[in-house]
Parts: sequence; C-alpha cells; structure tokens
Amino acid sequence: GEDVEQSLFLSVREGDSSVINCTYTDSSSTYLYWYKQEPGAGLQLLTYIFSNMDMKQDQRLTVLLNKKDKHLSLRIADTQTGDSAIYFCAGARTGRRALTFGSGTRLQVQP
Amino acid sequence: SQTIHQWPATLVQPVGSPLSLECTVEGTSNPNLYWYRQAAGRGLQLLFYSIGIGQISSEVPQNLSASRPQDRQFILSSKKLLLSDSGFYLCAWRTAGTGNTGELFFGEGSRLTVL
Repeated sequence: GEDVEQSLFLSVREGDSSVINCTYTDSSSTYLYWYKQEPGAGLQLLTYIFSNMDMKQDQRLTVLLNKKDKHLSLRIADTQTGDSAIYFCAGARTGRRALTFGSGTRLQVQP
Repeated sequence: SQTIHQWPATLVQPVGSPLSLECTVEGTSNPNLYWYRQAAGRGLQLLFYSIGIGQISSEVPQNLSASRPQDRQFILSSKKLLLSDSGFYLCAWRTAGTGNTGELFFGEGSRLTVL
C-alpha cells in the first residue's frame, strides 16, 4: 500500500469543525506536516508536529498524533468557506531526503 | 526572507516537443531542491531532488531529467514530451541538513498540458 493514505473528500457546513485524517506506514519521521493547496496554487505549510508530541494547537488548527496507530489528524474549528482546499499530510521516510505526501483530502465548505 | 519562483506558470506543448521548467530560490544558500508532479486529482509524486550543484537524484524512471547548474537554480527538462507528462509541476526547497524542522517550501507551480 501507499506510504501515506488519506480519504479523498470531506464536506462540512460553515461553522462546523472539520477533521481530516491520515495514516502512514513509516514511523521514522521526526516531524509530520499538514499542507494546504488552493486551486491552481502551490502547497502552503499549515502546521507541523514533532513526532514526540501527541497534540499541537495553533489557533483554529489542532493536530493529533497517535504513534501507536500511525494516525495523524487535522481538526479545523469553526470552518470557513476560505478553508475550502486540498489538504495534504506528509512525512519523511527512513533514509529519504524528501517528504512523502498523501493523496490529499478535498475539503468542501458549504455556506 | 526566502522566496521561490518557478516559470512558466502555464505551458501548452505538442507531443514530441522539448520542455524546460525553471525554478530559482532566493534568500538562502545550499538548499535541497525538489521537483514534484501532481497529476489531475492525485497526490504528489517526487521526481527529482538535489542536495548540491550537479547532484541529482531521480526517484522514478521517466521521460524527464533535471539539472542544477547553480546553487539556487533547478531545471526540469524533457527532449520529447509525451501525453502522460501532462500535470502540475511543483518546485520546492528545504534547508539542508538536520537540526531543523525539515518542511518543504513550494513554488506556485507550472501547469503543463501536452496535446
């Protein structure tokens, strides 16, 4: 299977919370990352979490890391229409100098 | 502050024609440089990375090549494009070595359509 897996699509209503999930197979990453991609644009780093942490909160964003289950999630509180985008999780595989990305989750926020 | 530029932003090329996409980074020295491809509706596939001038690592066998003629310049090329080369190409950089958070910083992307 893929090194990093994500569900492809999530639809929420404006004001609700969004939870985007990611599972990974290689647990060697020192850091795990969440990126956001708006239509036709490059990827923008949203946040990252150190692998020894369980949780990181940054304003409306909360990252949870379950190392035992190799599961990473991104929660967006009070989701806004401007949050509509594709969200990628990423990590570094053992011996690799590059990041491996999931397939991306398209978040659609309905007014 | 560091910036990354890639061009052209959009390119439409016939099958069999050559390709050259350029990427430059400003405000940092000796970065690691990367080319990724994003096919329509899919994730990112690593194509090439470079840890220094003239040092290129290829991740997948393909119709493309990369070069790094200067410290902060990374070029993606093809001699003859295939239909399957269509996609969104992203250049990225990161600080070399360990002891940093290791994130990649991306350019705005180049959309290539091969007809």
